[in-house]
Amino acid sequence: ETGVTQTPRHLVMGMTNKKSLKCEQHLGHNAMYWYKQSAKKPLELMFVYSLEERVENNSVPSRFSPECPNSSHLFLHLHTLQPEDSALYLCASSQGPANSGANVLTFGAGSRLTVL
Amino acid sequence: SQQGEEDPQALSIQEGENATMNCSYKTSINNLQWYRQNSGRGLVHLILIRSNEREKHSGRLRVTLDTSKKSSSLLITASRAADTASYFCATTSGSARQLTFGSGTQLTVLP
Repeated sequence: ETGVTQTPRHLVMGMTNKKSLKCEQHLGHNAMYWYKQSAKKPLELMFVYSLEERVENNSVPSRFSPECPNSSHLFLHLHTLQPEDSALYLCASSQGPANSGANVLTFGAGSRLTVL
Repeated sequence: SQQGEEDPQALSIQEGENATMNCSYKTSINNLQWYRQNSGRGLVHLILIRSNEREKHSGRLRVTLDTSKKSSSLLITASRAADTASYFCATTSGSARQLTFGSGTQLTVLP
């Protein structure tokens, strides 16, 4: 247990479903991140929240919608996904602000998403 | 965009041997980090080395950084079966403050 908890651990959904991934950190960190990990590819940074404000959005399709209601919680809302969106979605947090450039990330165990 | 690239993509060794993984990157960096990922799990931070440092140690881990060659290496000494995992380097550079990860090296340590 790293202090970053992701739920659910596994999710299977159809292309017309709406679901959400949840991330919670108990470390008192100030920044939270969503990464996508697909097979044989580098980790892709999707969204960054620093002090509850979104500071980066790497041209992610609008079918992915993040929400950060407070500094401890981060959601990724999913709707009308495609099969190529199947991947491991990793949440991470860091102590310093997201723009500090020397952040060590603490990752959750990930949510394995399968889109049928 | 990808910054670090690990080499080799896969490495298989016997328990007790040393494992060396390399990371090359394209642009000047602020710092470089190594992470480990067990199968199907999240990444775990191992070590951070700053651009003005050349070598760092942590337990059985030794990391070197050669900024002139834009490369880093991770050495795991006296490997154990429990070291079996994927290892990733990650960099921050210039105004790009966010970590950029490579594709990783899959290390298998055979008992």
